[in-house]
Amino acid sequence: GQNIDQPTEMTATEGAIVQINCTYQTSGFNGLFWYQQHAGEAPTFLSYNVLDGLEEKGRFSSFLSRSKGYSYLLLKELQMKDSASYLCAVRDSNYQLIWGAGTKLIIKP
Amino acid sequence: DAMVIQNPRYQVTQFGKPVTLSCSQTLNHNVMYWYQQKSSQAPKLLFHYYDKDFNNEADTPDNFQSRRPNTSFCFLDIRSPGLGDAAMYLCATSERTDDYEQYFGPGTRLTVT
Repeated sequence: GQNIDQPTEMTATEGAIVQINCTYQTSGFNGLFWYQQHAGEAPTFLSYNVLDGLEEKGRFSSFLSRSKGYSYLLLKELQMKDSASYLCAVRDSNYQLIWGAGTKLIIKP
Repeated sequence: DAMVIQNPRYQVTQFGKPVTLSCSQTLNHNVMYWYQQKSSQAPKLLFHYYDKDFNNEADTPDNFQSRRPNTSFCFLDIRSPGLGDAAMYLCATSERTDDYEQYFGPGTRLTVT
């Protein structure tokens, strides 16, 4: 079966750095996505990785290792507004998105 | 602004009473998706349209139907809602199925009483 694993919840301090990990087992691979979802709202796109390595976009970076079936999302200089769920999703060989259940990130002052 | 719009944002229906959720988009995208998301769970794809071609997920219950009368609009019909169908329903669009980004609407939260 296809599976995406990520921690259920993490806590970090405002101004700090946090790394959210995601491991996956899917039928084929056509890219990995990170989405941010605030409570009661729709997911918004953060990043896309299809090749190994690090993609940096402002305070957010995403890393991919296809051989290890592993990705992480790195958030720097955390702000209170970063409190949200972060969803990892992998596009399989049929170009369908397989979603993780999300990691709820709690930011404390 | 180009966007994905879902109406209503909150919908309450009675057990067994048919309900329709709507989605419209001004992005002129070919692909429209319907997802069901329950609290603290991953979004679950119900079906998607590529233009007028309908693609149903194998495990989507027959209780869920969809219509796409034109490029801009897509509807989700729940013929006989059960208590287990209470969830957030998300509509999303993309230009192609291999696009790297899906654009989501704000969602409709469905309550079944």
